[in-house]
Amino acid sequence: DAGVIQSPRHEVTEMGQEVTLRCKPISGHDYLFWYRQTMMRGLELLIYFNNNVPIDDSGMPEDRFSAKMPNASFSTLKIQPSEPRDSAVYFCASSPGPLNNQPQHFGDGTRLSIL
Amino acid sequence: GDSVTQMEGPVTLSEEAFLTINCTYTATGYPSLFWYVQYPGEGLQLLLKATKADDKGSNKGFEATYRKETTSFHLEKGSVQVSDSAVYFCALNTNAGKSTFGDGTTLTVKP
Repeated sequence: DAGVIQSPRHEVTEMGQEVTLRCKPISGHDYLFWYRQTMMRGLELLIYFNNNVPIDDSGMPEDRFSAKMPNASFSTLKIQPSEPRDSAVYFCASSPGPLNNQPQHFGDGTRLSIL
Repeated sequence: GDSVTQMEGPVTLSEEAFLTINCTYTATGYPSLFWYVQYPGEGLQLLLKATKADDKGSNKGFEATYRKETTSFHLEKGSVQVSDSAVYFCALNTNAGKSTFGDGTTLTVKP
């Protein structure tokens, strides 16, 4: 079975550039989550969607970050303009539904380095 | 709000030693509890789960029991291997559809 697919796996870019991270959730999963992981702050939830609708974006650091889910099989996280402090591993995860016994399924992440 | 507190790491053990990683939680209602494992360069993956009080989750020799009276879900393994070296996350789910994760505990097993 195909898991959550993220692209790119690695991204190195210069400060001020626009960065777009992509995610394809597992087919049939209604929930999609974007996380950021750093050594200093650990795993942080940025935003999550239910049936393509953003439910909670309170973790989005600032207006430079935006996320969209135009359909059930695709989501993007965009940073514009990027800054060195945005360097982190960004994970996308999906889960089947609202029942609290459902685990999340994570992609392998995008390692982002902003120079 | 909901919260998960994990034993601070890092934890270093010799192969075949007994492992315990403590996890306690605070939540409203009746959460489900999870342990996830993260290997280097990979995302988190489900290790085991328990959905109600006194349930025991188990997988790959790891076990954890949902203790409502002590609000705990400690992870145990009787004999660790080098291949168990990873970061372990305790988590809970509320009915809101999202998870609350602990800070993670890094385990290193030496041969």
